Amino acid sequence: EVQLLESGGGLVQPGGSLRLSCAASGFTFSSYAMSWVRQAPGKGLEWVSAISGSGASTYYADSVKGRFTISRDKSKNTLYLQMNSLRAEDTAVYYCAKHDYDSSGYSPGGAFDMWGQGTMVTVS
Amino acid sequence: DIQMTQSPSSVSASVGDRVTITCRASQGISSWLAWYQQKPGKAPKLLIYAASNLESGVPSRISGSGSGTDFTLTISGLQPEDFATYYCQQANSFPLTFGGGTKVEIK
Repeated sequence: EVQLLESGGGLVQPGGSLRLSCAASGFTFSSYAMSWVRQAPGKGLEWVSAISGSGASTYYADSVKGRFTISRDKSKNTLYLQMNSLRAEDTAVYYCAKHDYDSSGYSPGGAFDMWGQGTMVTVS
Repeated sequence: DIQMTQSPSSVSASVGDRVTITCRASQGISSWLAWYQQKPGKAPKLLIYAASNLESGVPSRISGSGSGTDFTLTISGLQPEDFATYYCQQANSFPLTFGGGTKVEIK
């Protein structure tokens, strides 16, 4: 069974840092692109960042570029999001999501076919 | 960036009704369009990928159509478990973007 389990959320002061983790199981982790998607309280979904299966390519929303870093550890089947210089507007539930397939020069990797349960980040 | 515009933002409907949600992309995205369902306090769930392909396990009363810039999600014969918020998302290029969501409420 495919599972994604996020952790690392919590309360942090503006300007602070936090690292989110997403433990993956039930599929060949390195064969799929992965993303982080967030949802501010009462708002819609916002894509944050993506990483290719190998980890060689990373992509960011303008709103987090230069402050957040996405990475993955194949040996631990884990996806990470290092969040620095946090702002109040970063307050949201953060979901990790598995892409339908790996990203390439031609495609970001299809739809998000599996999501974690989410972890709440509050910047205040 | 590709903007995704969903309409309506909310719709009131009864069990058994047919509901149609539209999504328009600011530029052509071929068939790189997905639809998700989200219930309160839960993660989104993939319903449709590549504009018209039904994800495994999703009931056949849900369907998607369209290509280019205009897309539609249709729920035929609304069931109690279908009351939720629905999002479209373009998977054509980075940055990936979502529509604003459509809340399907009980009339």
